[in-house]
Amino acid sequence: DIQMTQSPSSLSASVGDRVTITCRASQGISNNLAWFQQKLGAAPKSLIYGVSSLQSGVPSKFSGSGSGTDFTLTISSLQPEDFATYYCQQYDSYPLTFGGGTKVEIK
Amino acid sequence: EVRLVESGGDLVQSGGSLRLSCAASGFTLSDHYMDWVRQAPGKGLEWVGRIRNKANSDTTEYAASVKSRFTISRDASKNSLYLQMNSLTTEDTAVYFCARVYCSGSDCPWEKAYFDHWGQGTLVTVSS
Repeated sequence: DIQMTQSPSSLSASVGDRVTITCRASQGISNNLAWFQQKLGAAPKSLIYGVSSLQSGVPSKFSGSGSGTDFTLTISSLQPEDFATYYCQQYDSYPLTFGGGTKVEIK
Repeated sequence: EVRLVESGGDLVQSGGSLRLSCAASGFTLSDHYMDWVRQAPGKGLEWVGRIRNKANSDTTEYAASVKSRFTISRDASKNSLYLQMNSLTTEDTAVYFCARVYCSGSDCPWEKAYFDHWGQGTLVTVSS
């Protein structure tokens, strides 16, 4: 199975900060990497697919980059509605696997 | 508008069975791969399994933790997806989400496609 390792597991940031979350795959996954946002008590929301393509309706303050095994999600200017837990996921091979999550909290 | 609504979550005893449903609207379920993903209380997301679309013979894939106990199926006439869960253990306690897999174009690589829409989830609690 492909292991997805996210870091950090949590971070505190202020409104307006630039935030970067890292995701590392245990083996190459080409560009088959997605990011999701989950707020407390809600379903996950799809943000990014194919490493860097934004899902419809997702604001451009979210961006993704990387290749091979190392990937990042960046939020350019953190807003109150962005405080949530973020997950990466590989869909290159079965079983599909998720990172452990990064909780973004208010400083 | 694409909408997914799960139902069927309940409190069940260890060793019991339960069937979850995911009613789809705004698209034809059988045209898409569909997945189940679960989340234990306070934990991360775990992929449960997948059913391929009608064009790919509705075949299935499962996580090792549920293989031989869980079965994914669909009813095209009801535009609904199901998760039959047998031999439940306390480790299966979680919120269960259905998710649509999206792929566009005639040569779409479905095996490398991604989630676009999620349902709101339904809670399954297994007691010992």
